[in-house]
Amino acid sequence: GIQVEQSPPDLILQEGANSTLRCNFSDSVNNLQWFHQNPWGQLINLFYIPSGTKQNGRLSATTVATERYSLLYISSSQTTDSGVYFCAVLAGGYQKVTFGTGTKLQVIP
Amino acid sequence: DTEVTQTPKHLVMGMTNKKSLKCEQHMGHRAMYWYKQKAKKPPELMFVYSYEKLSINESVPSRFSPECPNSSLLNLHLHALQPEDSALYLCASALGGGEAFFGQGTRLTVV
Repeated sequence: GIQVEQSPPDLILQEGANSTLRCNFSDSVNNLQWFHQNPWGQLINLFYIPSGTKQNGRLSATTVATERYSLLYISSSQTTDSGVYFCAVLAGGYQKVTFGTGTKLQVIP
Repeated sequence: DTEVTQTPKHLVMGMTNKKSLKCEQHMGHRAMYWYKQKAKKPPELMFVYSYEKLSINESVPSRFSPECPNSSLLNLHLHALQPEDSALYLCASALGGGEAFFGQGTRLTVV
C-alpha cells in the first residue's frame, strides 16, 4: 500500500516563530488533507488540498502532486497550535484514507 | 453542518462484555469509516462502508463487528475484547472520495 511519511516527527517552537511541516507520499493520490489533532483526540480539518496552494489565516498549505509531497506552513505560532499534525491521503480506486506518521508540535511561551 | 457525532465519549468494559459504539452524520455522505488509534500513533483504518455496504475490512479480528443500518448511522459492535484493544476509536464520513470529517472519538478501556 501507499506509504506516507511526515517530517519532522517532533518540533518545539517559541511562540511567534514560523514552521514548515512536510508530508511525502509514495504513490499518486486522489486527494490529500491536513488535520490537527488536539489533546482530547479530536481531528480538526485544516486543509483539503489535492494540489495547489491554499491559505487560511496563519496557516497555508501547498501540495505538489507530481513530486508527491505536501507542505503545511504555520506562521506566528501560538500555544494553541500545539498538538499533532497529520496529513492523510486517498489513493487508488478505493475509498481508503491513509494517515501519515504525524508531527508533534509544541509551542512554548 | 460538518458534524460527525460519536457516542459514547468514554467506555470501560470487561473482557466478557458486549458493547456498541455509535456514529451518526447528516451530511449525505455515502462513505463511512472506523479507525483505531493507539497512543502516539496515527489512526489505522479498520472498516470502510460505501453506500451501506462493507467495502474494506483491514483484517480486523471478528470480535469487532461493524454495521451500517442506514446512510446516516454506523455502529461498531464489540464482544470479548482484550486489554490490547484499548484505544481511541474514530468514525469518519466522506462524500465519494472527497474531504473526510471525523467525530470526536470514543476512548475505550478494556479491563
